[in-house]
Amino acid sequence: QKEVEQDPGPLSVPEGAIVSLNCTYSNSAFQYFMWYRQYSRKGPELLMYTYSSGNKEDGRFTAQVDKSSKYISLFIRDSQPSDSATYLCAMSGPNFGNEKLTFGTGTRLTIIP
Amino acid sequence: DGGITQSPKYLFRKEGQNVTLSCEQNLNHDAMYWYRQDPGQGLRLIYYSQIVNDFQKGDIAEGYSVSREKKESFPLTVTSAQKNPTAFYLCASSVPTWGNQPQHFGDGTRLSIL
Repeated sequence: QKEVEQDPGPLSVPEGAIVSLNCTYSNSAFQYFMWYRQYSRKGPELLMYTYSSGNKEDGRFTAQVDKSSKYISLFIRDSQPSDSATYLCAMSGPNFGNEKLTFGTGTRLTIIP
Repeated sequence: DGGITQSPKYLFRKEGQNVTLSCEQNLNHDAMYWYRQDPGQGLRLIYYSQIVNDFQKGDIAEGYSVSREKKESFPLTVTSAQKNPTAFYLCASSVPTWGNQPQHFGDGTRLSIL
């Protein structure tokens, strides 16, 4: 079993819909959680990061962590065609500066105009 | 504009050949990283360097080598010992306040076997 599981998709939703992207993990030591967005043939860009449990909001994006269920989510409100990309989750244990990140495989998202 | 430049965008390797992928950053970041991305797998860390003239192996360092002679440069050599080199290679950098984890990525080099 992989430490981080992420549905590869593809996921297609109409423009304006709320998108929910999710990752599950098995390592209870994970404390730091990140979401990266990767456009086709480009490098990932860091979207959001959260520590421990709870929600964090940034514009149309909300990151949510449920440590009891070992489940993290990224919500995109009012989705736009420019949101079409692959979304990668990544996580690390408590020693953030000295532990490698463990990445999910990515979910490919398409927003249909 | 500050950023990370990877070159070339596409690279082909012949049997028994070593190839070098370039990574240059003008962000003045101390830490740099090399990742490999394969379909159906998460990014895997090859090597990382937190300071000039020092670097550490990641999870899949076998068949790869790096150098860090300058702060802005972190080239990756894929040697002939790497039997399955076909992948998308990503270079990243970060500042120490970001916990030495990859913060900014370049746009990658796609390596294929001839």
